[in-house]
Amino acid sequence: DQQVKQNSPSLSVQEGRISILNCDYTNSMFDYFLWYKKYPAEGPTFLISISSIKDKNEDGRFTVFLNKSAKHLSLHIVPSQPGDSAVYFCAASAAPFGNEKLTFGTGTRLTIIP
Amino acid sequence: GAGVSQSPRYKVAKRGQDVALRCDPISGHVSLFWYQQALGQGPEFLTYFQNEAQLDKSGLPSDRFFAERPEGSVSTLKIQRTQQEDSAVYLCASSTRDRFGTDTQYFGPGTRLTVL
Repeated sequence: DQQVKQNSPSLSVQEGRISILNCDYTNSMFDYFLWYKKYPAEGPTFLISISSIKDKNEDGRFTVFLNKSAKHLSLHIVPSQPGDSAVYFCAASAAPFGNEKLTFGTGTRLTIIP
Repeated sequence: GAGVSQSPRYKVAKRGQDVALRCDPISGHVSLFWYQQALGQGPEFLTYFQNEAQLDKSGLPSDRFFAERPEGSVSTLKIQRTQQEDSAVYLCASSTRDRFGTDTQYFGPGTRLTVL
């Protein structure tokens, strides 16, 4: 069964606007969440993470929000830039600060329209 | 090097052949992970090492898959008697605890395995 779900396979956003990518999880043991970005023929690149003790973490244009009661997290990118076009993966770990296997969603392909 | 490196980047094998995939983690990283990514899917966990100890191999799909990290640095994933369903990208990641107490996994570029 899919413990981490990204229900939108693709998303198109105008350059300069906000991109919102969503992720839902079912396993209540998950304690640490990450977003990775992937370009073709490259490995996933770490973007931002959040521990379950927080509900928001911000790094420049990227903000991750965590709603534990809803088992939902989202990644906000603002403003969106053409270089943000990539596949974005949500991942979760049952260890409080990582250091354990990650469970990934199936990814959302983000396209930024110039 | 600065990042995780993997070799070969591409491997074509005939069904039944054995293959060996190599991962060079970031220098000093204690933890090393292997994942398998099928087309259109997210990476799926295979196995995990802390230094030379293989702490979790619950994701290895069959006994044809074997991983080692004998000196706690370079790791090799070996697949014996390859089958078509083994075709995938094999990703390696390494991590170590940072000053904030968190472990972030950094991925290599992957090895794309095609079994004919």
